[in-house]
Amino acid sequence: DIQMTQSPASLSASLGETVTIECRASEDIYNGLAWYQQKPGKSPQLLIYNANSLHTGVPSRFSGSGSGTQYSLKINSLQSEDVASYFCQQYYDYPYTFGAGTKLELK
Amino acid sequence: EVQLVETGGGLVQPGKSLKLTCATSGFTFSNAWMDWVRQSPEKQLEWVAQIKDKSNNYATYYAESVKGRFTISRDDSKSSVYLQMNSLKEEDTAIYYCTGGGDYWGQGVMVTVSS
Repeated sequence: DIQMTQSPASLSASLGETVTIECRASEDIYNGLAWYQQKPGKSPQLLIYNANSLHTGVPSRFSGSGSGTQYSLKINSLQSEDVASYFCQQYYDYPYTFGAGTKLELK
Repeated sequence: EVQLVETGGGLVQPGKSLKLTCATSGFTFSNAWMDWVRQSPEKQLEWVAQIKDKSNNYATYYAESVKGRFTISRDDSKSSVYLQMNSLKEEDTAIYYCTGGGDYWGQGVMVTVSS
C-alpha cells in the first residue's frame, strides 16, 4: 500500500497569514492526489484534485502543487472560515490512502 | 442540487451484519464511480471500497481490512449504492460516508460495533 505522510499534524496561524501543508507519498503517485477540508461535524469537502486543479466553487486562495512523491496545499490570506482539518488522499493506486490530517486553528 | 443520503447504521454486536444504503440524486449516478469511506473515532479517514460504472463492468475494489467481509454494490435504476458488512469487528466502528468520486459526499452514518 502507498503510505501518505502528512505534516504538520496541527498548525496555528493568524488571519491573513499564508499556510502550507505537506504530504509525502511512499512512492510516485503521478499527481493522483486530492486535498479535502473537513469542518467539525461535517463531511469532507473536495478542494483540489489531480494535485493542482481547483474544485468548482473553491476559493482561489487555495492552491495545490507538487509532483512525484511530494505535494503541498497552500492557503493564502487565511480566513476564519478556513479553520478546519485538512486531509490528503492518493488515488493513483488501490487501496486509496489518506494522510493522517492537519488540524488548522487560529492563533 | 446534489444529495447523498446514507442510512442503515446503528449499534451491532461483533460478528453480526449490517447493510448501509446511500441514495443519491442531482447527478448522473450511472456514470459515477462510487466509494465508501469511513472515519474512525480518532478522526482518521480510511477508504473502504469502490464500485465503478457499467462501462467498467461494475468493477469493485476493497481495503485489505474489509476484503472478504464487506461487499459494495449498486442499483443504477435507484441511483443507490450499498455496503453489505458481515462479520463486523469492533474496529469497524466509524462514521461511514458514501462519496461520488470524491466530488460529492453524504452526511455520513454511524456504525458502532460493540457487545
